[in-house]
Amino acid sequence: GAVVSQHPSRVICKSGTSVKIECRSLDFQATTMFWYRQFPKQSLMLMATSNEGSKATYEQGVEKDKFLINHASLTLSTLTVTSAHPEDSSFYICSATGQGDYEQYFGPGTRLTVT
Amino acid sequence: KQEVTQIPAALSVPEGENLVLNCSFTDSAIYNLQWFRQDPGKGLTSLLLIQSSQREQTSGRLNASLDKSSGRSTLYIAASQPGDSATYLCAVNTGNQFYFGTGTSLTVIP
Repeated sequence: GAVVSQHPSRVICKSGTSVKIECRSLDFQATTMFWYRQFPKQSLMLMATSNEGSKATYEQGVEKDKFLINHASLTLSTLTVTSAHPEDSSFYICSATGQGDYEQYFGPGTRLTVT
Repeated sequence: KQEVTQIPAALSVPEGENLVLNCSFTDSAIYNLQWFRQDPGKGLTSLLLIQSSQREQTSGRLNASLDKSSGRSTLYIAASQPGDSATYLCAVNTGNQFYFGTGTSLTVIP
């Protein structure tokens, strides 16, 4: 089946620094990628949807200047958390779909801890 | 806007029991519905995908049904095992947007 990877799996950073998370589709071309965050004991919340070569579409309440999303190729999307604060500590998960494929393939997630 | 609800929020059963998890959604205009499991601190594992034209899908001890007109899906787990303990999420695809349910936390007691 289709495989999506995320890097890093865990990251700890100091408040005020920026963190980049990569999401890669390993064996298919991901025309659309999604970024989610999940707080403890809560469901996934969609942050943004990105189509290759286009600007990401952010969900209401998600600061696009804080969570920078780039989907420059059909196999790679990046999420950069700028000027991270402790309240940004969360589990970030990406997913991807291929053209004409409505199944969603998920990455393993990235645990971000901001101290 | 699509809203997805899962009932119950938590479930605890003895090993060997059959169980049913419920998922309901408010807008029947969907492309498909997926069931996932999530282990603590881990990503999602896709269990079953039901296309909007399908009524059910089976994989091993799992069976998922879909009644699009009534906005309901169920995940049936037969002969539950301790290894089935996890959070189960359903997600509805309405086109190019996915909506997740609130999840059911399942504990299977040995």
